[in-house]
Amino acid sequence: DADVTQTPRNRITKTGKRIMLECSQTKGHDRMYWYRQDPGLGLRLIYYSFDVKDINKGEISDGYSVSRQAQAKFSLSLESAIPNQTALYFCATIEGGTQYFGPGTRLTVL
Amino acid sequence: TQLLEQSPQFLSIQEGENLTVYCNSSSVFSSLQWYRQEPGEGPVLLVTVVTGGEVKKLKRLTFQFGDARKDSSLHITAAQPGDTGLYLCAGDMDSNYQLIWGAGTKLIIKP
Repeated sequence: DADVTQTPRNRITKTGKRIMLECSQTKGHDRMYWYRQDPGLGLRLIYYSFDVKDINKGEISDGYSVSRQAQAKFSLSLESAIPNQTALYFCATIEGGTQYFGPGTRLTVL
Repeated sequence: TQLLEQSPQFLSIQEGENLTVYCNSSSVFSSLQWYRQEPGEGPVLLVTVVTGGEVKKLKRLTFQFGDARKDSSLHITAAQPGDTGLYLCAGDMDSNYQLIWGAGTKLIIKP
């Protein structure tokens, strides 16, 4: 079984809709991150969490919110989706300097 | 503006050829990592280089960290179709929370 899982894997939604992307991990790591990946731009950090009570904004947090429900779960929400949020979203855990990524969610906002 | 510039952005070569991809910056990094990402999956760590001038080998892959710790290269010898993927470099500036990511080199190895 994968150590970091993401649901859904693919999602198409409409402008203005609220959407939640979920991430679960079985690695027991405290640090969890959310990134988006766009062609030609690399990975950009949206939010990061050092533990359940410590959540921080990354470089592109506008339009996003997160919830750390437990050590193992870190959810990303788009309160009112817009087309320029169309991207590939990755959750990652971090331990010892290594980042362990989930398989990603491909989100399309029409 | 990308703090880490990767080149080339795209490379398509025949099986058996050698290749080098580059990761360059004007900033100094305490360490630099290389990841490979395959379609439908997240990036997977290949190697971390820490010391200026360091060279690490992973089978047919050779990674080098520049003496000034501002750049790195990845050389693949006798490329195989299984090497196909997106190669990402990421630098650590001792921020304690964030890696600086390059945009990646998309590599295709044709049989």
